Amino acid sequence: GNSVTQMEGPVTLSEEAFLTINCTYTATGYPSLFWYVQYPGEGLQLLLKATKADDKGSNKGFEATYRKETTSFHLEKGSVQVSDSAVYFCALLMDSSYKLIFGSGTRLLVRP
Amino acid sequence: DTGVSQDPRHKITKRGQNVTFRCDPISEHNRLYWYRQTLGQGPEFLTYFQNEAQLEKSRLLSDRFSAERPKGSFSTLEIQRTEQGDSAMYLCASSLVRDMNTEAFFGQGTRLTVV
Repeated sequence: GNSVTQMEGPVTLSEEAFLTINCTYTATGYPSLFWYVQYPGEGLQLLLKATKADDKGSNKGFEATYRKETTSFHLEKGSVQVSDSAVYFCALLMDSSYKLIFGSGTRLLVRP
Repeated sequence: DTGVSQDPRHKITKRGQNVTFRCDPISEHNRLYWYRQTLGQGPEFLTYFQNEAQLEKSRLLSDRFSAERPKGSFSTLEIQRTEQGDSAMYLCASSLVRDMNTEAFFGQGTRLTVV
């Protein structure tokens, strides 16, 4: 079946450090890929998305590139801030579907 | 419009009691989804509506769970005879289907604790 695997957290970084959160997927076709962020006590917010291979999604300094050859969609940011502390979820959506399939989430903690 | 709204934000109930949650989607969004998120896990799909029609229910949704979306507007999720295993965050999302890759907007969730 279709699934998403994320690196386990927590990821603890100092402010201004470089961030990578790994995400790989298994899918029978060609999904759209998403990163959602969940701040403490809040719901999920869409951070960025990519709908086809080699697309790069970007938002708020975060980037992720859809790599079909490695079935990956790793999240990166060049310089994290304390306010980026949250849980990040990678998700996929198949063309013929309507339901998102999420990874288990990666908690990011950024220290001043 | 302020986004997807869920009520209540928190609910503590005794085992065996019934609970009902409400979701108000973004107006004009024709799809509405319910997900469940347990501690340390990603959200899992429960069910979805296209307008007022409930088109799919996950196997996670036992017979004790029922969802409705009368008139294709707000939705309710009821859990009968709650069990401790029902403790989770229940998330509602909505979307406007123009194409297949449509963005779902999530509410803040209802956190259920069954004691």
